[in-house]
Order: sequence, then C-alpha cells, then structure tokens
Amino acid sequence: TQLLEQSPQFLSIQEGENLTVYCNSSSVFSSLQWYRQEPGEGPVLLVTVVTGGEVKKLKRLTFQFGDARKDSSLHITAAQPGDTGLYLCADRQGGKLIFGQGTELSVKP
Amino acid sequence: DVKVTQSSRYLVKRTGEKVFLECVQDMDHENMFWYRQDPGLGLRLIYFSYDVKMKEKGDIPEGYSVSREKKERFSLILESASTNQTSMYLCASSRQGGNTDTQYFGPGTRLTVL
Repeated sequence: TQLLEQSPQFLSIQEGENLTVYCNSSSVFSSLQWYRQEPGEGPVLLVTVVTGGEVKKLKRLTFQFGDARKDSSLHITAAQPGDTGLYLCADRQGGKLIFGQGTELSVKP
Repeated sequence: DVKVTQSSRYLVKRTGEKVFLECVQDMDHENMFWYRQDPGLGLRLIYFSYDVKMKEKGDIPEGYSVSREKKERFSLILESASTNQTSMYLCASSRQGGNTDTQYFGPGTRLTVL
C-alpha cells in the first residue's frame, strides 16, 4: 500500500516569509496533485504534475516534482494570511486519490 | 460554476441512530466519492462510485454503506452510528477520464456522534 508522507505537519510563520512543504511517497507517483483546503471548506486543486523534474508556478507558489517521481515540494514566496490552510498532496491511482496527511499552514499578519 | 453540495454542514446524532449524508453534484460527473477527514490522517476514502447503481469499497468501508440511484446524487449511510464515526465527511466528484482529472469537493459535513 502506497504511503504519502508530508512534512512538516504544522507550520506557523509571519506574513512575508518564504516556506517549503514536502511530500514523499513510498512508491513512484502516478500523477501528483496538490490541493489547498481553507477552514470550513473542501479541498481545491492547485496543480497537477506528471513528468519527473517538472516545475510549475502559480503566482507565488512553485511546485516541483522530483526526477524519480517519488517526491514533490511546494514553495510559497512572501506568504500572505490568505495562504493559511491545509495543503494536501495526493497521488492518482486509477480513478482514486491517495492523500497525504497534510501540512497545516498558518500565516500571521 | 461547478458545484458539489452536501445536505448539512453540521450534524449531531446519538449512538445507534441511522444517519444519512447526502451529496449532489451539478457537473454531470460519472465518478463520486465519500471521504472522512481526521486530524493528522488526511482524507481516507470510504466508498466511491463510477456509475449509477455501482459502488466500490474504499480503504475504510466498515460501518458505512452507500447508495447511488441517480447520477447526480451519492448518499453515505451509517447504519448504526458509533462515537468513532465522529468526523468530517467530504464528498467529491470527477469526470471519468484520464489520470489528471480534478476531483471537486463539497464543503463537508461535520458529524458528531454522542
């Protein structure tokens, strides 16, 4: 059974700081998705990465997919309070998603 | 605008009660999913459905059943609620397609079983 490990589990930073969160898999990812879940809402897809070594940018968010497709990182530049939420990585296995346990990010003004 | 709605945001039930959680999507998606979310455990798949009247067990189906009589509606049933089923329940839907399709989530139902 595939296991996805996210680190850190909790992160509390000040507005304007940079941060990186990680997602590691016990086996090769099929295709990796990153979701953000704001308090009181369901997760919303941020990005899908498929190719090893792929880098995608979404405004201040940079997503990297490891060459071996077993790890990924999400880097946020100049974090803002609106970035607060739970960041989840997920691997698509057929029509299903396998989720990591998430990184809880709090950005204080 | 795509939408997945869940019948209740908050629900309080007593041990042994039968509980119905309803989910409706307006995107004509073939796939629908029920997850539970607990702190430190991420989202765990309970059941999913690829088509009307079809269902597949996820990772933690024990104590739950589902019903999909119409394409847009997927119900999660707790036959006899127990305190360890206190959790956040999330419904999602997606197209039936390739490996990169998005799952769209509802806002969740926070269930407390007393």
